[in-house]
Amino acid sequence: GAVVSQHPSWVICKSGTSVKIECRSLDFQATTMFWYRQFPKQSLMLMATSNEGSKATYEQGVEKDKFLINHASLTLSTLTVTSAHPEDSSFYICSAKPFGPSPDTQYFGPGTRLTVL
Amino acid sequence: KQEVTQIPAALSVPEGENLVLNCSFTDSAIYNLQWFRQDPGKGLTSLLLIQSSQREQTSGRLNASLDKSSGRSTLYIAASQPGDSATYLCAVNRPTDSWGKLQFGAGTQVVVTP
Repeated sequence: GAVVSQHPSWVICKSGTSVKIECRSLDFQATTMFWYRQFPKQSLMLMATSNEGSKATYEQGVEKDKFLINHASLTLSTLTVTSAHPEDSSFYICSAKPFGPSPDTQYFGPGTRLTVL
Repeated sequence: KQEVTQIPAALSVPEGENLVLNCSFTDSAIYNLQWFRQDPGKGLTSLLLIQSSQREQTSGRLNASLDKSSGRSTLYIAASQPGDSATYLCAVNRPTDSWGKLQFGAGTQVVVTP
């Protein structure tokens, strides 16, 4: 089946630093990738939608200057948390929609645990 | 605004019992509804997808029903096993949302005891 990877799987950083998280579709090309954030015991909240070669569309309340998304190719999207603070600590999950006849299908990555000290 | 609610938030059953997980949504104008499984600290695994025109979907011991008019979906897991212990999430996709944007419920945490 289709596989989506995320790197790193976990990261600890100091407050004020920037952290980049990669999301890759390993065996398919993704028309669209989504970035979600999940706090403990809470639901996944969609942060932004990105299409290859175009600017990401951010959900209401998500700071686009703080959460930079780059979708440079059909298999890679990156999320950069700039000037991270402890309140940015969360579990970040990406998903990818493949080309093809199943428009409803999307595959999720394993997530990245970010802890900001 | 669409709101997705899952009740109960947590559930513990002995092995062999059937599981019934509920999902409700406030706006019945959905494109489809999906059920996912999430293991602790992991990503999501898709279990079942029900299109808005369908009433149910089945896969092995799993059966999901959809009543769009009442804004409800139920996931049944027959003869539960310890390996079914996980958090189960439902998510809806609205026709007004492009590119498969999903709105998730908070999930039901399931523990199946041996």
